[in-house]
Amino acid sequence: GAGVSQSPSNKVTEKGKDVELRCDPISGHTALYWYRQSLGQGLEFLIYFQGNSAPDKSGLPSDRFSAERTGGSVSTLTIQRTQQEDSAVYLCASSLARSKADTQYFGPGTRLTVL
Amino acid sequence: QQQVKQSPQSLIVQKGGISIINCAYENTAFDYFPWYQQFPGKGPALLIAIRPDVSEKKEGRFTISFNKSAKQFSLHIMDSQPGDSATYFCAASPNTGFQKLVFGTGTRLLVSP
Repeated sequence: GAGVSQSPSNKVTEKGKDVELRCDPISGHTALYWYRQSLGQGLEFLIYFQGNSAPDKSGLPSDRFSAERTGGSVSTLTIQRTQQEDSAVYLCASSLARSKADTQYFGPGTRLTVL
Repeated sequence: QQQVKQSPQSLIVQKGGISIINCAYENTAFDYFPWYQQFPGKGPALLIAIRPDVSEKKEGRFTISFNKSAKQFSLHIMDSQPGDSATYFCAASPNTGFQKLVFGTGTRLLVSP
C-alpha cells in the first residue's frame, strides 16, 4: 500500500517568507508526527496529532511554527517569517497508535532551504 | 540538551564484519528504545526495538543489547553487508501517553566490499 507522502520534496524560499509543508499519512493511521532533521543532527520532535484530541505542540521551537490536521488525515506544517536557521529536512510520520510500541512510518521529507 | 548520546559518528566496517553502534541515555523514564535506518533521500525506517524489561533482542542479523543499570543500549549488525551502508539512529521514548521519540545524532555506517 501507499506510504506516507510529503510535498513538496524540496522548497527554497527567501528569509521572511511563509512556507507550508504537506503530509499525507498512511490511510487509517490515527497518529501523525512532525520532526525536523538538521544537518548532522538527529531528528527533533515538533508536534503530535492523535485523532480528534488536542495536539501535543511541546516540540515547536517558536510561535512562528504551527501545524494543523484536517479531517484526521492530511496535515500542514506552516512556518511564518522563515529564518535561515529553519533550513532543515522536515519529516512526517504516522502510526496506528493502538499501543505505545506501534511503528512510526516516515515519509521522505521536505528539504527546506531558506536563503 | 541531548538526552540520547550516540557514538560513533561514523563507522567503516569490512563486509562480513560486525558493526557496533552505542547509545546512552539520561532519562530513567524512557521505556521504549527503537533503532532506525535511513538511506539517503529517504525517511528513517524502524529496524528493531526493545523495552527495558529484556536485555537483548535479536532479529536476523540485527541485535539490540540493553543495559538498564548503565543506561546504555547498542546495535550489533552481524555479517555486515554493503547494503547495510546507511545512517543509523537510536531513539528513546518516555513513558508518556504517546511515542514521543528522542533521537541520537546518528551514525553513518559504510560497509566496504
